[in-house]
Amino acid sequence: EAGVTQSPTHLIKTRGQQATLRCSPISGHTSVYWYQQALGLGLQFLLWYDEGEERNRGNFPPRFSGRQFPNYSSELNVNALELEDSALYLCASSLSISGSGGSDYNEQFFGPGTRLTVL
Amino acid sequence: GQQVMQIPQYQHVQEGEDFTTYCNSSTTLSNIQWYKQRPGGHPVFLIQLVKSGEVKKQKRLTFQFGEAKKNSSLHITATQTTDVGTYFCAGFLITQGGSEKLVFGKGTKLTVNP
Repeated sequence: EAGVTQSPTHLIKTRGQQATLRCSPISGHTSVYWYQQALGLGLQFLLWYDEGEERNRGNFPPRFSGRQFPNYSSELNVNALELEDSALYLCASSLSISGSGGSDYNEQFFGPGTRLTVL
Repeated sequence: GQQVMQIPQYQHVQEGEDFTTYCNSSTTLSNIQWYKQRPGGHPVFLIQLVKSGEVKKQKRLTFQFGEAKKNSSLHITATQTTDVGTYFCAGFLITQGGSEKLVFGKGTKLTVNP
């Protein structure tokens, strides 16, 4: 069974440009999460989509946005790129949460990431 | 704001020594997950704790969830060089508004001296 895939592997942009990162979850998974991992730092939660809806977003400016498609793949868009946006962007997928809140969250499977470099 | 504090940030041990990382939340967590990220790799799920006071073991790893569901720990007995990596906790909490929120600890980077 294929794991979480992300594209592209590497992306080089200049300041002010826009970047689009893509993620395909494991078959059957409907939740997709996006994280930013800057060099030497921990995981910073960006966005969480579940069954096409945005469930939550982290403390990032509005120029970080995304969407989830009907096939549950997802896209992360970063507008007006800044130098500090250079990081590894990780996508993870999981089975859908139950909606009851609490005990039914499922483990996340991470993709290999997209390394974004802003020059 | 609502956050999960993870300590220590770094830990260097001699092979064979024990290691513990702690996560503390300002808010009650619905559950907590632990992940390991090897150098150059991506995070890999280790375990999920749901119940108050829950303790789970995986070989040399022991995971605990506090009675108040606000803290958790990961303890490794007799570390090996294969334990090297960064360990993250991730907690799900229900906000006052009723929405789910995911918070990650900043991770503890473990290095093991052979």
